[in-house]
Amino acid sequence: VQLVQSGAEVKKPGASVKVSCKASGYTFSDYIIHWVRQAPGQRLECMGWINAGNGNTKYSQKFQDRVTITRDTSASTAYMELSSLTSEDTAVYYCARVGALHFDYWGQGALVTVSS
Amino acid sequence: DIQMTQSPSTLSASVGDRVTITCRASQSISNWLAWYQQKPGKAPNLLIYQASSLESGVPSRFSGSGSGTEFTLTISSLQPDDFATYYCQQYNSYPYTFGQGTKLDI
Repeated sequence: VQLVQSGAEVKKPGASVKVSCKASGYTFSDYIIHWVRQAPGQRLECMGWINAGNGNTKYSQKFQDRVTITRDTSASTAYMELSSLTSEDTAVYYCARVGALHFDYWGQGALVTVSS
Repeated sequence: DIQMTQSPSTLSASVGDRVTITCRASQSISNWLAWYQQKPGKAPNLLIYQASSLESGVPSRFSGSGSGTEFTLTISSLQPDDFATYYCQQYNSYPYTFGQGTKLDI
């Protein structure tokens, strides 16, 4: 099992960022993918998830208005787009697969830096 | 949201020591708790799930216990590779939440 994420991004305040998470080594549509972020010196924070099979999503209330999680089953890839970026969104963004409810595999992380 | 509080935030120990990290939930989460190890620049790595089940491939010196609101992670005999930051996570209700982390250093 591998989750390989897209690379680091630098964005200006007010812009949007889209991070990808390509899965391999298992049947992509059989699992849920979560997105988790970690700001510098901060604890890990769940943003939302997608059922890769049926496309259903659920978002944390904190990010509800700004985050969109999608998937492309033909590419075995999940995406997380975050809009209206501020400096407080500077963080490492991870995707993680849900095994039996817990997160059993993680992507390597994608650093998003928001700076003018 | 359920608040997760770990103690201590920092723990200094030596190779061979037995160490225990505590995680408290702001409300009962049954046994829906996981422990992760994270090293600098790396993603978290699952150690324990469902409070006390050892993930495949994780050394047996790691163990977890607890239910309800209080949980512990114990490392029976510290090895050099164990110096890292440890996080607990509840997955009883969304949004799943993490503790603030316990940094284990020499």
